[in-house]
Amino acid sequence: QKEVEQNSGPLSVPEGAIASLNCTYSDRVSQSFFWYRQYSGKSPELIMSIYSNGDKEDGRFTAQLNKASQYVSLLIRDSQPSDSATYLCAANNNAGNMLTFGGGTRLMVKP
Amino acid sequence: DADVTQTPRNRITKTGKRIMLECSQTKGHDRMYWYRQDPGLGLRLIYYSFDVKDINKGEISDGYSVSRQAQAKFSLSLESAIPNQTALYFCATSDGAAGRNEQYFGPGTRLTVT
Repeated sequence: QKEVEQNSGPLSVPEGAIASLNCTYSDRVSQSFFWYRQYSGKSPELIMSIYSNGDKEDGRFTAQLNKASQYVSLLIRDSQPSDSATYLCAANNNAGNMLTFGGGTRLMVKP
Repeated sequence: DADVTQTPRNRITKTGKRIMLECSQTKGHDRMYWYRQDPGLGLRLIYYSFDVKDINKGEISDGYSVSRQAQAKFSLSLESAIPNQTALYFCATSDGAAGRNEQYFGPGTRLTVT
């Protein structure tokens, strides 16, 4: 049973729109959450970290965390074709020493 | 220069051969990890190490071994490669002192076992 769940997609949005990517996790003790972007054939790149409830903004990216609902999301504003990639959600385990990754959501931004 | 490097970047080998994948980092991180990625299965942890004397099995360690030669170097070995070990392999590092477990990945090694 996957501990971090993501819709595999593809999620298709037009250029300039807001892309909303969602992730749920099962371990209530998880404290740290991460979003990685992975282009096809490349390595995962860390784009956002979030540790407390609420929103965290960095440029066009906003991460949202709701620990009560065990829900993490990533919003990408003004989506660009270069944002087309697979986005991986990851959660720290209760010991804080390992990450569990979701299967990823493939995002396609159409010009 | 890349902070986390992996060699080789691509490798084709035959069933039964022993191979080693190497990872080096200049980030000064104490923690290092080996993952494999398969289509539809996501990233799975093979082994991790929190310092030179600390090695731990991950989710899928069978058929693999590791060596932490120095703080900056962590190698993954396949003692007798089999076709279902064909995958994309990533090394990652994190700073244990930071307490956040933000992991940074190397470029990956694409391994094909025929």
